[in-house]
Amino acid sequence: DSGVTQTPKHLITATGQRVTLRCSPRSGDLSVYWYQQSLDQGLQFLIQYYNGEERAKGNILERFSAQQFPDLHSELNLSSLELGDSALYFCASSRTGPPLHFGNGTRLTVT
Amino acid sequence: DAKTTQPPSMDCAEGRAANLPCNHSTISGNEYVYWYRQIHSQGPQYIIHGLKNNETNEMASLIITEDRKSSTLILPHATLRDTAVYYCIVRVGSDSSYKLIFGSGTRLLVRP
Repeated sequence: DSGVTQTPKHLITATGQRVTLRCSPRSGDLSVYWYQQSLDQGLQFLIQYYNGEERAKGNILERFSAQQFPDLHSELNLSSLELGDSALYFCASSRTGPPLHFGNGTRLTVT
Repeated sequence: DAKTTQPPSMDCAEGRAANLPCNHSTISGNEYVYWYRQIHSQGPQYIIHGLKNNETNEMASLIITEDRKSSTLILPHATLRDTAVYYCIVRVGSDSSYKLIFGSGTRLLVRP
């Protein structure tokens, strides 16, 4: 158990809808990272937050947004969902330095 | 971003050492090499990391060549539970703002 909690574990929704994925980092970790893993793309870095501020951005679509709250939990919001957004979404956390510790992901299915 | 190259798949017998190679010929002097593994769609699991010296922990050993252009992850006594996809990654960025760029990894199959 990495100590990173992601909810929900599974999510099924329809195209055009909006969903929110939640991540609770390990106790004491200030950084939260979001990754997307789809079958044909591997693990893609989306975005990083450090103590509430956005620090690094990867291949995150404009339809996606994230934030980190004062209690350090983070949410990833996905809107106008498309079939291609079906994937595993992983959250990871770390203290100021490495390594990253990953949660077990949220499996999103868009129908 | 520094890129890594790994063989797509490997196999080894249970109880034997598994040696997983990684090429990172464009690595910069201050970039760390990280190894993670992912077992069947679970979250990636941290294994080990290093900068220039060889490293060992309870899970594995990491051998980095002197020119730092390649490294090898060694699982000394592979078990069936070590069957997974292994990712060699070069960290990009500083301690407070860095990202791990995952490649395709090596799918390791440990045979009984």
